[in-house]
Amino acid sequence: EAQVTQNPRYLITVTGKKLTVTCSQNMNHEYMSWYRQDPGLGLRQIYYSMNVEVTDKGDVPEGYKVSRKEKRNFPLILESPSPNQTSLYFCASRPDGLLTGELFFGEGSRLTVL
Amino acid sequence: GEDVEQSLFLSVREGDSSVINCTYTDSSSTYLYWYKQEPGAGLQLLTYIFSNMDMKQDQRLTVLLNKKDKHLSLRIADTQTGDSAIYFCAVNSGGYQKVTFGTGTKLQVIP
Repeated sequence: EAQVTQNPRYLITVTGKKLTVTCSQNMNHEYMSWYRQDPGLGLRQIYYSMNVEVTDKGDVPEGYKVSRKEKRNFPLILESPSPNQTSLYFCASRPDGLLTGELFFGEGSRLTVL
Repeated sequence: GEDVEQSLFLSVREGDSSVINCTYTDSSSTYLYWYKQEPGAGLQLLTYIFSNMDMKQDQRLTVLLNKKDKHLSLRIADTQTGDSAIYFCAVNSGGYQKVTFGTGTKLQVIP
């Protein structure tokens, strides 16, 4: 089944404790992206990647890191999480050449930072 | 940058029509999308419209685009309880790879 898989789905952590949210897609998509969803603010893009070893900042990159060593994986790293990073996170992917630009989303990872 | 605005809530009775509105700022947007997010799930593309179209109809869904006013709407006919979800308007801007989402409209369908 074609899908975008995120782990963990739920996580409660404490300020300063490094964590990684993994994202994997099995559709051979070139483009991958991370978003955070907050009430009243919609989805805001954190980072995106056009292909392996090519990443760029989105609208709210502060406090986050990403890497794209393999085409299928795009982990989101929080080196020193803070309470303002409590949010619902979505990974999404899209193939190159799809003119409509449809994004395929994972089911989300709800992160709470105490 | 691009700004996409939506109202936060809409409540309708089952069987009525729902109209969800969206305004955007980038007149060069090529594709405009409606995504649906059901509780506890990710977003799924519901429909989209190309910027050279005024209207697109797909079963119970009608998308209207007013480029002059930069206004996009989604009409759901005969709204059902299964349509209860958050609906996001999204537009591409600043090149093909950039998609900006609105705040989302939570649709509540009253039986």
